Amino acid sequence: GAVVSQHPSWVICKSGTSVKIECRSLDFQATTMFWYRQFPKQSLMLMATSNEGSKATYEQGVEKDKFLINHASLTLSTLTVTSAHPEDSSFYICSAPGGPGVRYEQYFGPGTRLTVT
Amino acid sequence: AQKITQTQPGMFVQEKEAVTLDCTYDTSDPSYGLFWYKQPSSGEMIFLIYQGSYDQQNATEGRYSLNFQKARKSANLVISASQLGDSAMYFCAMREGGTGRRALTFGSGTRLQVQP
Repeated sequence: GAVVSQHPSWVICKSGTSVKIECRSLDFQATTMFWYRQFPKQSLMLMATSNEGSKATYEQGVEKDKFLINHASLTLSTLTVTSAHPEDSSFYICSAPGGPGVRYEQYFGPGTRLTVT
Repeated sequence: AQKITQTQPGMFVQEKEAVTLDCTYDTSDPSYGLFWYKQPSSGEMIFLIYQGSYDQQNATEGRYSLNFQKARKSANLVISASQLGDSAMYFCAMREGGTGRRALTFGSGTRLQVQP
């Protein structure tokens, strides 16, 4: 089946630094990808929708200047957390709708666990 | 208003027994999809089952079945013959609209623990 990968799987960074998370669709093209954030013991919350070749759409309350999204190709979307702070520590998961012929399934990446110290 | 409500923060079930995880939803869109995902401690989201709003029959996938009651706006997950490996977080989710190219809205989740 379709696979979505994320890199890195976990990262520890110091407060004030930036970290980039990659989300790749491995065997299908994804014109749209979604970025979710999951705080400990909480549910997944949509942060933004990444669209290939255009600007991302951010959910209310998500700072677009802090969470930079780039969807430069049909198989890669990146999320950059700029000037990270401890409150940004979370589990970040991307997903992509299935390719042509797949009516409903969305494929999730394995997630990236970010810890900001 | 919450679009997806899971009222059971935690559930216990004995191995080999069946368990029902509750989910209610709220939408005015006539076309929508309902999903259940399992999230083990590793964090990966494992797709379990899907029900479309126009599907006439309840969805089934192996030991998983979805009790879809459209008038009540409920989409409960039934796991039959529970196994120790079923211990995990379970999320109900909804996609509004008829295509798969929209994000999902998730419920708060239910932590299921299967006891030997």
